[in-house]
Amino acid sequence: DTGVSQNPRHKITKRGQNVTFRCDPISEHNRLYWYRQTLGQGPEFLTYFQNEAQLEKSRLLSDRFSAERPKGSFSTLEIQRTEQGDSAMYLCASSLSVESYEQYFGPGTRLTVT
Amino acid sequence: AQKVTQAQTEISVVEKEDVTLDCVYETRDTTYYLFWYKQPPSGELVFLIRRNSFDEQNEISGRYSWNFQKSTSSFNFTITASQVVDSAVYFCALSEARNSGNTPLVFGKGTRLSVIA
Repeated sequence: DTGVSQNPRHKITKRGQNVTFRCDPISEHNRLYWYRQTLGQGPEFLTYFQNEAQLEKSRLLSDRFSAERPKGSFSTLEIQRTEQGDSAMYLCASSLSVESYEQYFGPGTRLTVT
Repeated sequence: AQKVTQAQTEISVVEKEDVTLDCVYETRDTTYYLFWYKQPPSGELVFLIRRNSFDEQNEISGRYSWNFQKSTSSFNFTITASQVVDSAVYFCALSEARNSGNTPLVFGKGTRLSVIA
């Protein structure tokens, strides 16, 4: 049974560069979520998809951030013109869309912007 | 608006002690779900339990137990006879029910538990 996977696990980039992260959810899960976690804080919601449709975006998701899930399977999160404040752990989770189902998280991508 | 408060930032206990992690939530909905997740040093969030707002029965799973009280909007988590492997950050989270499915999770800030041998 394959869980949620994320790549890369670590990314170091210089300020102003663009970065892209990938998330592969559990295969039968039609919901996919992106969260961001900074040191000492709980994860904060960024956006989520049901199949290929992006259903909600948080106010945290500035216009430098874009997420896609083109075929309703894997998803990508791109950050353009990175800033030092973007340094965080980016977490992906997936679930079934049936009410009450729990979300299963991937290992995260740790982004460091220098 | 949804909010989850975990007032305990860090707790340290000696192995075999019992420890309770507090969680207080706020929501205007009558149908909602509460969760606990564990984040060990490796970083991956591990699902522990889900509870819906209509089920106030306490639950026990091995050394873990959960006490849900709607009257005080609390969903506390107790580890009995703690072990070093229980050392982790524990998060409480809330999701509200919608016709289209649950809302994304709102997490508390977490409680870091250190169990000392």
